[in-house]
Amino acid sequence: LAKTTQPISMDSYEGQEVNITCSHNNIATNDYITWYQQFPSQGPRFIIQGYKTKVTNEVASLFIPADRKSSTLSLPRVSLSDTAVYYCLVGERGTGANNLFFGTGTRLTVIP
Amino acid sequence: DTAVSQTPKYLVTQMGNDKSIKCEQNLGHDTMYWYKQDSKKFLKIMFSYNNKELIINETVPNRFSPKSPDKAHLNLHINSLELGDSAVYFCASSQVGLQEKLFFGSGTQLSVL
Repeated sequence: LAKTTQPISMDSYEGQEVNITCSHNNIATNDYITWYQQFPSQGPRFIIQGYKTKVTNEVASLFIPADRKSSTLSLPRVSLSDTAVYYCLVGERGTGANNLFFGTGTRLTVIP
Repeated sequence: DTAVSQTPKYLVTQMGNDKSIKCEQNLGHDTMYWYKQDSKKFLKIMFSYNNKELIINETVPNRFSPKSPDKAHLNLHINSLELGDSAVYFCASSQVGLQEKLFFGSGTQLSVL
């Protein structure tokens, strides 16, 4: 299983762009990178998934460099409601959730 | 209309008791899971189940058993509860071929006294 490393916590002011970087040095050729968001007292929620370069959806953008050894989740203009834990996962697509490992995540606190 | 729902939300019980947590999904997914999130917030998969295969995380005690009456339901039975079983248990589901996109329930906070 490809191990991921993320910062334990981050603080940001409302309205700022937040970038959370995840390291996955031993990512395999067939692995995809997936990010989840977990609010207090709720289950994790899928945010975005990518393989290389850049992926954007209505919630976030995911930047993946050519070597794919890291990825950056970018949240534009955060609000207080973006306060949550963000998890980076790496695993081969279609092989099952048993091959996905939720690490410690990054606790993002948005400050007014 | 909740996609993955689990009940109860909170469960407080004594050591040694047997309890169940129910989970239902209305997404038409083929695979369902149970996860455990401990006090340190580590989220670990316990079981994955579809109509063909049950995969058990080898670290899960056999006091825990999933039961699936049909494709939309996966209940978790726990026998002889221990203090260390206190945690938040999440049910999740996904569709075949997109297992990385998990849909989670809101969790059941189990407290064993």
